[in-house]
Amino acid sequence: GNSVTQMEGPVTLSEEAFLTINCTYTATGYPSLFWYVQYPGEGLQLLLKATKADDKGSNKGFEATYRKETTSFHLEKGSVQVSDSAVYFCALSDIQGGSEKLVFGKGTKLTVNP
Amino acid sequence: KAGVTQTPRYLIKTRGQQVTLSCSPISGHRSVSWYQQTPGQGLQFLFEYFSETQRNKGNFPGRFSGRQFSNSRSEMNVSTLELGDSALYLCASSGGASGNVQFFGPGTRLTVL
Repeated sequence: GNSVTQMEGPVTLSEEAFLTINCTYTATGYPSLFWYVQYPGEGLQLLLKATKADDKGSNKGFEATYRKETTSFHLEKGSVQVSDSAVYFCALSDIQGGSEKLVFGKGTKLTVNP
Repeated sequence: KAGVTQTPRYLIKTRGQQVTLSCSPISGHRSVSWYQQTPGQGLQFLFEYFSETQRNKGNFPGRFSGRQFSNSRSEMNVSTLELGDSALYLCASSGGASGNVQFFGPGTRLTVL
């Protein structure tokens, strides 16, 4: 079945450092890909998405490019802030019979220190 | 536009009891999905409802059930609670102009003692 593998955390960075969180997927066809973020005590918030190969999703300084050849969707940010501390989830859409569910990676906890 | 709301936010039950969780989707969204989040298993899909019909179901026992009403609001029920059912239950809605993007509520934290 479809699956997502993302780098295990936790990741600890200093403010203004460069961030990369790796995500690879296994899927039949070409699913949409997503990054969600979860702050402590909250639900998931959509960070960015890409729906086809070579699409780049971007939001709040975060970027990820849908790479079909490497089946990857790595999350990057050039300069992290303390407020970026959260858990990040990579996900793909799995469509069956008109119904679409999300398949998630295990999540990567990011801590940014001042 | 109001986001996805879930009630209650926190719930404590004992083994063997049953529980009902409620979800109100974003206005205009007709699809509602439920996910279970635990430290060990991560985020797992429970089921998806569209126009009052269950379209998809994850790999969970029959103790987990749900329904959707004509106004798209959804409930999920867990009967004969087990300790392992302690989790954050997340509801997500999609549809309308947002297409296939799922928007999540804050979740219901269920603790089974």
